[in-house]
This record gives sequence, C-alpha cells and structure tokens, in this order.
Amino acid sequence: GAGVSQSPSNKVTEKGKDVELRCDPISGHTALYWYRQSLGQGLEFLIYFQGNSAPDKSGLPSDRFSAERTGGSVSTLTIQRTQQEDSAVYLCASRGEAYNSPLHFGNGTRLTVT
Amino acid sequence: QKEVEQDPGPLSVPEGAIVSLNCTYSNSAFQYFMWYRQYSRKGPELLMYTYSSGNKEDGRFTAQVDKSSKYISLFIRDSQPSDSATYLCAMKHFNKFYFGSGTKLNVKP
Repeated sequence: GAGVSQSPSNKVTEKGKDVELRCDPISGHTALYWYRQSLGQGLEFLIYFQGNSAPDKSGLPSDRFSAERTGGSVSTLTIQRTQQEDSAVYLCASRGEAYNSPLHFGNGTRLTVT
Repeated sequence: QKEVEQDPGPLSVPEGAIVSLNCTYSNSAFQYFMWYRQYSRKGPELLMYTYSSGNKEDGRFTAQVDKSSKYISLFIRDSQPSDSATYLCAMKHFNKFYFGSGTKLNVKP
C-alpha cells in the first residue's frame, strides 16, 4: 500500500511569511509524529498525535509552530512568521496501533526561508 | 549527555567489506531498537527492528542488541555501493522514539 505522503516536497518562502506543511499517514495508522532534521543533524522531535489529540507537543520550538490533525488522518504543521533558522527538512512519520510498531517516514518537506 | 550516542563518521569502506555501525544509550528502560537507512533527500527507511538482546538477521544485515551494555550494532555483510547512505539507530520507550545522529557510510566500488 501507499506509504506516508508529504507535501510539498520543497518549499521556498520569504522570512516573515506563514507556511503549511501537510502529512498523509499510512491508512489505519493512528499515531503520527513530526520531526525536524537540519543539515547534517539528527532528528528533532516536534509533536506526536494519537488520533486527533496531541498528548506530547513538547518539541515545538516556539509558539510560531502549531500542528493539527483531523479525522484521525491528515496532519498539517503550520509555521507562522518564518525565520531563517526554521530552514530544515520536516519529516512526518506514522505507526500502527500495536505498542511495538515502528515508525514509517515520509520523504519530508525541505523548507528554505530566504 | 545525549540519550543515544552514535559516531557520525563518515565511514568509508571498499565494496565487499563487512561494516559495523554502533550506538550506545543511557536509558535502560529502552525496549525496542531500530535501524533506519536514509538516502540523500529521502526519508529514513526502516531496515531492522528488534526487541530482545541477541542477534536478528535479514539478508546481508544483522542487528545485535546487548541490553546489559546498552549497546546496539548493525552489521552489513558484502557491502555494496548502493549501501552508501546515512544509518540512524532508534529506540522506543512508551510513545517516544529516540534517534542517534546518524553515521554516514560510503562504500567505494
């Protein structure tokens, strides 16, 4: 079946603009995660959804970042008033209901703030 | 101290070599251990997934977990140029996943 789908694959925006990044998880996966990966760096956790609720949003770097998930499926990550330090690859991952289910990642959105 | 430590490399080996990639971790509560492969401009792809101490083999790949030493390894036999990528270890505890920073591997033809 289809994997995790993210759009757009690339986004170039001007400093100060808002951006929305979209994630479509694997069908039936109830848990969804957002990570950020800066050049040459590891994965930085942003937020985790179980269904439509976000029990852990501890990784959001500032109040400019928000995320929502509707219908237990698609999620959007919104960055308001983008800054140059927001430039990174934003990765979405989903996993099944079983406790031991691993994460399956999309190919990410490469965000460049000019 | 990071919860998961991984040597960033780069690691450069000739084709056909056996590759050993390693991670150490500090939290003895970590239960599930994963290895991901990430090609340039792609998302991480799940390679191996294991729970218990010991070895798990899948083709040319062997994942090894030593919970007593808090040490995990990924071995790649008969390495190929197509194995050139960044390899990330990951561990799960409750609903959180903890990742190493990745080791960049280059297999030279």
